[in-house]
Amino acid sequence: EVQLVQSGAEVKKPGEFLKISCKGSGYRFTSYWIGWVRQMPGKGLEWMGIIYPGDSDTRYSPSFQGQVTISADKSISTAYLQWSSLKASDSAMYYCVRRPTDTSNIDPWGQGTLVTVSS
Amino acid sequence: QSALTQPASVSGSPGQSITISCTGTSSDIRDSNYVSWYQQHPDKAPKLIIYDVSNRPSGVSNRFSGSKSGNTASLTISGLQAEDEADYYCSSYIITNTLDVVFGGGTKLTVL
Repeated sequence: EVQLVQSGAEVKKPGEFLKISCKGSGYRFTSYWIGWVRQMPGKGLEWMGIIYPGDSDTRYSPSFQGQVTISADKSISTAYLQWSSLKASDSAMYYCVRRPTDTSNIDPWGQGTLVTVSS
Repeated sequence: QSALTQPASVSGSPGQSITISCTGTSSDIRDSNYVSWYQQHPDKAPKLIIYDVSNRPSGVSNRFSGSKSGNTASLTISGLQAEDEADYYCSSYIITNTLDVVFGGGTKLTVL
């Protein structure tokens, strides 16, 4: 079974560092892009960016460029999303997704990681 | 890149059919065959129900169908059931950068 399993919920203070993870299994991790999607409380889905674990080619949506860092460690089939200095406005649910190159079959989705930033 | 436009809400009675529209531009929906739809129940991760405009993933009910005309994609749910009550989102790849994705704002479906 193809699965993406994300790390658990986080509660952080403004200005802190955070790195959340997404571990893939059941498929060749290096052959598919992994994307990250933000969903703020009560709001819609926003595409943040994408990484190809095979060569770490990384692209960011303009709204998130410079705000987050996406990385991957192909040796452990895990992708990451990190913030160097969190803001309260980063409080949201974050999903990782598997994204093929030549179809819009964006599936599966991870279960989500809830990030809460509060002083 | 602006979000795709969806109605905020739609409703229907059990057994009826409803259609949710998703309007984009020539930069996305009109010239892209990479349009998808997702269903999201409260406190759950989104689930893919339509990809490449009109394809259903394995295991998704054939009551869900997708289509596209010009700048607008549509999701039709036939034979509405109580379990269909959820939020629905469309997405499209962007023509000038197919690694980028734009989502619709979401539509709340209420089954009366």
